[in-house]
Amino acid sequence: DADVTQTPRNRITKTGKRIMLECSQTKGHDRMYWYRQDPGLGLRLIYYSFDVKDINKGEISDGYSVSRQAQAKFSLSLESAIPNQTALYFCATSETGTEPTDTQYFGPGTRLTVL
Amino acid sequence: AQKITQTQPGMFVQEKEAVTLDCTYDTSDQSYGLFWYKQPSSGEMIFLIYQGSYDEQNATEGRYSLNFQKARKSANLVISASQLGDSAMYFCAMREVNTGGFKTIFGAGTRLFVKA
Repeated sequence: DADVTQTPRNRITKTGKRIMLECSQTKGHDRMYWYRQDPGLGLRLIYYSFDVKDINKGEISDGYSVSRQAQAKFSLSLESAIPNQTALYFCATSETGTEPTDTQYFGPGTRLTVL
Repeated sequence: AQKITQTQPGMFVQEKEAVTLDCTYDTSDQSYGLFWYKQPSSGEMIFLIYQGSYDEQNATEGRYSLNFQKARKSANLVISASQLGDSAMYFCAMREVNTGGFKTIFGAGTRLFVKA
């Protein structure tokens, strides 16, 4: 089984709908992240969490919210989806206390299309 | 200003030959980490190799090596003996430690095509 899983893997939705993307990990890592990838661009950080009670905004948090329900679960919500949120979304994890290594391990990605 | 620059949008290499993917970075931190990730057409991001700013030796992982030139702020990925399965997007990334908060910045990527 994969160490970092994301559900759903693909989602098509309409403008204005609320969407939740879920991430679970079995790596035992404290740190979790949400990124989005747009065609021709690298990854950009949306939110990150260093433990269950810690939530931090990343580079592009507007229009998104997150919930860290447990060490192993980190959800990303789009409260009212808009077409320019169409992208590939990645969840990632890393282990605490390994700076600057802090290697991140990625889930398989969720392809979201907002019509 | 771009913190991670990958100047090669696309690269071609003949199978079994070596290829170098370029990456330059910009930081004022003394402590930082440099990473390379591979993204095949299936979409997942696969960690390949890591280099710390204080590491004196270039990192190697199997057929991957990182040519780290600190003074030039470059961290090029070298893939030896290319295989067809190496065809993918490759992303260079940097983790800055002292900027406050967390920041890993990714470059725009280089698409590698391996020819049979």
